[in-house]
Amino acid sequence: NAGVMQNPRHLVRRRGQEARLRCSPMKGHSHVYWYRQLPEEGLKFMVYLQKENIIDESGMPKERFSAEFPKEGPSILRIQQVVRGDSAAYFCASSPPSGRVSGANVLTFGAGSRLTVL
Amino acid sequence: AQSVSQHNHHVILSEAASLELGCNYSYGGTVNLFWYVQYPGQHLQLLLKYFSGDPLVKGIKGFEAEFIKSKFSFNLRKPSVQWSDTAEYFCAVNGRDSSYKLIFGSGTRLLVRP
Repeated sequence: NAGVMQNPRHLVRRRGQEARLRCSPMKGHSHVYWYRQLPEEGLKFMVYLQKENIIDESGMPKERFSAEFPKEGPSILRIQQVVRGDSAAYFCASSPPSGRVSGANVLTFGAGSRLTVL
Repeated sequence: AQSVSQHNHHVILSEAASLELGCNYSYGGTVNLFWYVQYPGQHLQLLLKYFSGDPLVKGIKGFEAEFIKSKFSFNLRKPSVQWSDTAEYFCAVNGRDSSYKLIFGSGTRLLVRP
């Protein structure tokens, strides 16, 4: 039973390029969450998606960042015109249909995608 | 403001030494508490969690954590570490409303020398 799969694991981009990070949730999970870990900081919530719906994007930067979770295929976090400050580890998590983290329903995380902007 | 503090950013121990990683939180209201671990090259996985009941929580691989409400702390302990415990450890909290918005500490990198 594969866990949350993220790719690429490492991505290097030059300033101004686009970065696309992909996340496939665990089998049976229909909720996806993206978190970002900047250097020397904790993971911070970015966005919560269900299939074809953005439920909460309160943690997303207002510009250049977007996320989607199409009916078919993985969730994608897209960063346009990357800058050095976007260098970070981007973690994806998934959960079963509930949207609530409870004793029986915790977030399952992937291994993260590490973005380096030169 | 809601926050989680992990005081030790880097810890180096020899095998068989005892481990205690500190975690303090600031969060209004009743909380749920978590420790996650990320072994080199692997996914972030849940080590243990506290939702209610006995404040001494036992997790996988011999780890335990104690919730001390008066100190706003949830320290992680293991009596005798092994080389395979080398990893990064994250403390996290969310509200009892079970929000998916976990608040994480900045992590502690543990290196266990054989």
